[in-house]
Amino acid sequence: AQKITQTQPGMFVQEKEAVTLDCTYDTSDPSYGLFWYKQPSSGEMIFLIYQGSYDQQNATEGRYSLNFQKARKSANLVISASQLGDSAMYFCAMRERGNNNDMRFGAGTRLTVKP
Amino acid sequence: DTAVSQTPKYLVTQMGNDKSIKCEQNLGHDTMYWYKQDSKKFLKIMFSYNNKELIINETVPNRFSPKSPDKAHLNLHINSLELGDSAVYFCASSQRTSTYEQYFGPGTRLTVT
Repeated sequence: AQKITQTQPGMFVQEKEAVTLDCTYDTSDPSYGLFWYKQPSSGEMIFLIYQGSYDQQNATEGRYSLNFQKARKSANLVISASQLGDSAMYFCAMRERGNNNDMRFGAGTRLTVKP
Repeated sequence: DTAVSQTPKYLVTQMGNDKSIKCEQNLGHDTMYWYKQDSKKFLKIMFSYNNKELIINETVPNRFSPKSPDKAHLNLHINSLELGDSAVYFCASSQRTSTYEQYFGPGTRLTVT
């Protein structure tokens, strides 16, 4: 069964606007972590942000914030003030303590920022 | 300073050959990983390894074998390459006493002809 679901294969956003990339997950493990990675066209995988299952507040890193809704099992990434350089693939991922803390990735969302 | 490095960046080879991809991390992490990213960009874990145990994804053919000469290196050896092995292979590392975020190498694009 798919553990991480990203339902948006592609998204478009106007430069300087905010955009939300959706991610839902499935786990019965009480201890888990959620991650977002960015993969630009150059191919490298860049770690953006982390949210732990016990964290009370939503994680933020600069223009990135993670909208963590535990009861709904969602971990959406919000990018504020989009820039052209934000155009990339974005992957949501989860690790579970009961799964050796190995990471499982969603299928990704391709974000295109329009000038 | 490159945190996680892989060589080569590109690898073109023929079916049936044996090849290796090297990975090194200078982050002092205790765990390293190999991932395969297919043409549809789906990332799939192949192995996770620390100095205590190797965890193998059961769907990985036994033609693939990780080899770790020390904590900073995890090389991927592939025997009898097949067309379906063509993909981008990523090495990553993490520290299992932290939040476990993984840092990735630049990837190796393997093309089997």
